[in-house]
Amino acid sequence: AQKVTQAQTEISVVEKEDVTLDCVYETRDTTYYLFWYKQPPSGELVFLIRRNSFDEQNEISGRYSWNFQKSTSSFNFTITASQVVDSAVYFCALSERTGGSYIPTFGRGTSLIVHP
Amino acid sequence: NAGVTQTPKFQVLKTGQSMTLQCAQDMNHEYMSWYRQDPGMGLRLIHYSVGAGITDQGEVPNGYNVSRSTTEDFPLRLLSAAPSQTSVYFCASVPSTGNTIYFGEGSWLTVV
Repeated sequence: AQKVTQAQTEISVVEKEDVTLDCVYETRDTTYYLFWYKQPPSGELVFLIRRNSFDEQNEISGRYSWNFQKSTSSFNFTITASQVVDSAVYFCALSERTGGSYIPTFGRGTSLIVHP
Repeated sequence: NAGVTQTPKFQVLKTGQSMTLQCAQDMNHEYMSWYRQDPGMGLRLIHYSVGAGITDQGEVPNGYNVSRSTTEDFPLRLLSAAPSQTSVYFCASVPSTGNTIYFGEGSWLTVV
């Protein structure tokens, strides 16, 4: 079973639409970290946000916002008023101390296409 | 302070050839790992290390070998390249706190 599930394989929107990327995770640890990364067409992995398991506060950074809910094991990512430059693959990741070490696990990614 | 240095960036191999992808970090991190990225499959864990001298298999280890003789270096060896190993490879480094992931720039490997 996947520890990080990104059920949306691809999302296509028109510029200025809002879009939410879903991430559901699975862990038995009480201390863990969740991440979102962006991978633009150039291929590098760009860090967007980190959340630890003890901080359920939602966060907003410009057009980006994140909703972390431990009750549903979800860490969803919303882009408000999407732009063409947001077109990329987005990965959700979990870092948990399984067996005494932090080795991150990634979802399969969601490809976001923003049309002008 | 280079972070995670991964080389080469691009490589074309013939089936059956061997090669090594290099990964080095200068942050004294305990945890290092190698992932491969294939379309629709996300980043899948190949091998990982929790410290010098300690390595273990991830989800897709077949055809790959690793070693961790020093804290800094974690090379990934392709023993006999196959077309199925055509992929993008990422090396990652994580501190003992687990709260950050540092990536190399990626290696685009094509096996023909």
